[in-house]
Amino acid sequence: NAGVMQNPRHLVRRRGQEARLRCSPMKGHSHVYWYRQLPEEGLKFMVYLQKENIIDESGMPKERFSAEFPKEGPSILRIQQVVRGDSAAYFCASSPNGLDNEQFFGPGTRLTVL
Amino acid sequence: GEDVEQSLFLSVREGDSSVINCTYTDSSSTYLYWYKQEPGAGLQLLTYIFSNMDMKQDQRLTVLLNKKDKHLSLRIADTQTGDSAIYFCAETLGGKLIFGQGTTLQVKP
Repeated sequence: NAGVMQNPRHLVRRRGQEARLRCSPMKGHSHVYWYRQLPEEGLKFMVYLQKENIIDESGMPKERFSAEFPKEGPSILRIQQVVRGDSAAYFCASSPNGLDNEQFFGPGTRLTVL
Repeated sequence: GEDVEQSLFLSVREGDSSVINCTYTDSSSTYLYWYKQEPGAGLQLLTYIFSNMDMKQDQRLTVLLNKKDKHLSLRIADTQTGDSAIYFCAETLGGKLIFGQGTTLQVKP
């Protein structure tokens, strides 16, 4: 059973470009969470999705960031018009159901904005 | 409010015990977790404790929970150089994890 997969592992973008980060949850998991880790900091919750639904987006910046988890395919975290402050590691986690179940983390995507 | 606090750095000698401390704020958290992050890697779940427990032991790891003081600790017995990493405690809140800022554990040979 493959773990949570994220790609790309490293992404370099210039200011103003778009970044698309993909997350494939573990098999059988229908709940996906995105977290951001800024340099030298802990992880901060961004958004919680279940198939085709956003459950909690309280940690998402109000502009330029969006997330989706379609019926088929991976979850996508999209950052439009990236700025240097978006440089961070973005981690995805999945769980078989929500609430307080264990979340399994992917290896992360390290975004660098030049 | 949502706030999890940890000390930032701990240095121990190989073979000693390490104790990493954490305080949290949400008394309704059902589970409390300890994660390990090695350089450039993702998070690995080390252990967790249910909120109605005081202690949980898993091989070299011992978790102590003082619910009254909202204090959580992780003890690593016989610390090895391979234990060098950043350790995060986390509480759950409505399904999402609230992390501390991480404790860097340095193990000296």
